[in-house]
Amino acid sequence: AQSVTQPDIHITVSEGASLELRCNYSYGATPYLFWYVQSPGQGLQLLLKYFSGDTLVQGIKGFEAEFKRSQSSFNLRKPSVHWSDAAEYFCAVGASDGGATNKLIFGTGTLLAVQP
Amino acid sequence: KAGVTQTPRYLIKTRGQQVTLSCSPISGHRSVSWYQQTPGQGLQFLFEYFSETQRNKGNFPGRFSGRQFSNSRSEMNVSTLELGDSALYLCASSLARVGGGVDQQFFGPGTRLTVL
Repeated sequence: AQSVTQPDIHITVSEGASLELRCNYSYGATPYLFWYVQSPGQGLQLLLKYFSGDTLVQGIKGFEAEFKRSQSSFNLRKPSVHWSDAAEYFCAVGASDGGATNKLIFGTGTLLAVQP
Repeated sequence: KAGVTQTPRYLIKTRGQQVTLSCSPISGHRSVSWYQQTPGQGLQFLFEYFSETQRNKGNFPGRFSGRQFSNSRSEMNVSTLELGDSALYLCASSLARVGGGVDQQFFGPGTRLTVL
């Protein structure tokens, strides 16, 4: 069965420092991978997605992620964190078995705190 | 374009009651998915509707049901509410793929349901 693991429940970084949030997935075929961000009381906003092609994908707000098939990972990175980046981040895999579906399987999330 | 809208934003019910939540997708989007978010279970897929048909279903009891109308608007219903149904219910819409794969989904702000 498909699954997503985010090993870090909570991360604290200083403003201006670099950030890497880890995501590992379990999926038999080429996965559809997503990173979403959720601010308190809000819905989910898509940061970036990987469907195929270049394994380094750029997203909004200066985020990027790298798909590594050999490690079953899709880690999210940002070179310099801003205080407004404090939020919860979710990695998700699209659970397609070849047919059309929009079912997403989410990781448990990583709560990011930013210190001034 | 207006985003995904969900009504109501907040709802308080008592055990045993039933509730109906509404979701209006982005104009032109034909697929609507529903997710439940709780602190204990995280984000879990409920079901997806496309062209008024349920295309995929998560692992939830039959008390949870949904439907989609010809204008792509969707409703979900929970009957015989339990305390454990307290959650943020998120709706997501997407353009529907003709072939296989997973679309990019756009989430609404959610409906916060509290069951007393």
